Amino acid sequence: AQSVAQPEDQVNVAEGNPLTVKCTYSVSGNPYLFWYVQYPNRGLQFLLKYITGDNLVKGSYGFEAEFNKSQTSFHLKKPSALVSDSALYFCAPKTGDTGRRALTFGSGTRLQVQP
Amino acid sequence: DGGITQSPKYLFRKEGQNVTLSCEQNLNHDAMYWYRQDPGQGLRLIYYSQIVNDFQKGDIAEGYSVSREKKESFPLTVTSAQKNPTAFYLCASSMSGAVQETQYFGPGTRLLVL
Repeated sequence: AQSVAQPEDQVNVAEGNPLTVKCTYSVSGNPYLFWYVQYPNRGLQFLLKYITGDNLVKGSYGFEAEFNKSQTSFHLKKPSALVSDSALYFCAPKTGDTGRRALTFGSGTRLQVQP
Repeated sequence: DGGITQSPKYLFRKEGQNVTLSCEQNLNHDAMYWYRQDPGQGLRLIYYSQIVNDFQKGDIAEGYSVSREKKESFPLTVTSAQKNPTAFYLCASSMSGAVQETQYFGPGTRLLVL
């Protein structure tokens, strides 16, 4: 089985400040971890993924995420937040062990960046 | 939203009616997926297909049906057996069904019950 937890329903940050959106996961076997962003009434946009290798993954729009195997976490970060980053963010794990090829989603974290 | 199109953007269903949501992709992807999103919740998998003429049930397949007759198309039918169909429906595709492949999403269809 696989599951994901995003412990904060909402994160508020001032523009220009660093932001972190937290994610912890539970999978059997090696994890494959994805971050997506969703703007209102839109589909999901892919930000970045961890497959293997370097624990720090860089993605679109200046976002990055750090894979921590011992803490089973994959937190999303950005050094300087923009108002346009305000959206709903989803962390989604997959594992190859179960044969399930689809993503598992939690309820997401709403990021609000204040001007 | 790349090369994945979903239509219509909004769809209204009457009681007892079957409705079909369209999903088309021009990315030459083998695998396609349907997810349902309810307000304030994440996405749940309805059906997925790794190759033409083959598909598997996801976590919430009851009341839904799909077909995959062409690589580019993966339509979803919401049948009258689905008692609570009001939701945002998202189609996705990936190069293959391999676990490391990225899924790309369409813009979604919002289904409302009259």
